[in-house]
Amino acid sequence: QKEVEQNSGPLSVPEGAIASLNCTYSDRGSQSFFWYRQYSGKSPELIMSIYSNGDKEDGRFTAQLNKASQYVSLLIRDSQPSDSATYLCAYITRGSTLGRLYFGRGTQLTVWP
Amino acid sequence: ETGVTQTPRHLVMGMTNKKSLKCEQHLGHNAMYWYKQSAKKPLELMFVYSLEERVENNSVPSRFSPECPNSSHLFLHLHTLQPEDSALYLCASSQDYSVQSGNTIYFGEGSWLTVV
Repeated sequence: QKEVEQNSGPLSVPEGAIASLNCTYSDRGSQSFFWYRQYSGKSPELIMSIYSNGDKEDGRFTAQLNKASQYVSLLIRDSQPSDSATYLCAYITRGSTLGRLYFGRGTQLTVWP
Repeated sequence: ETGVTQTPRHLVMGMTNKKSLKCEQHLGHNAMYWYKQSAKKPLELMFVYSLEERVENNSVPSRFSPECPNSSHLFLHLHTLQPEDSALYLCASSQDYSVQSGNTIYFGEGSWLTVV
């Protein structure tokens, strides 16, 4: 069974703080992981992808993957009000294609000034 | 501008109507997708086309009928829908549908569908 669990939030942090978004998944065959950001009324946009255990940094964003614990997270440093959005976690199973991209329900993040 | 354009952006239709959603991608991609996003549910894949051939059909009811006349255009034909089909329908594309570094899905802005 393909399941991606995310805390729906809302997660509220002050401007300048670190926002921590978490995602757990049930499929041990999961290979590739993605974080999408979706502003209200807009389409999802990819902000991070991670394929191996450890941390991957891109600007203010850091994705962390722990396959043993079936856990992937997204840290947003120096959070800005413009980061307020819903963040979707998604994964693909090993040997699969982009046609089998499974999404979580998303975590709503609010960054207040 | 995401490179994936969807029309109409908003559609209200009765249960006996027939309508179509249109998607066009300007990215030179070979794979196109239809997703459904309902309130409080995960984004759900409906159909995948690769080089105009349907490669995934995710147990979608027959009242939804996709069409891919070429690699740049994708349609979703709708008929005899139910109120529970009201949702945001997202079109997307990717270079192809393999999982390779750098290959990712680009979404359109979506078509908000309300069935009354």
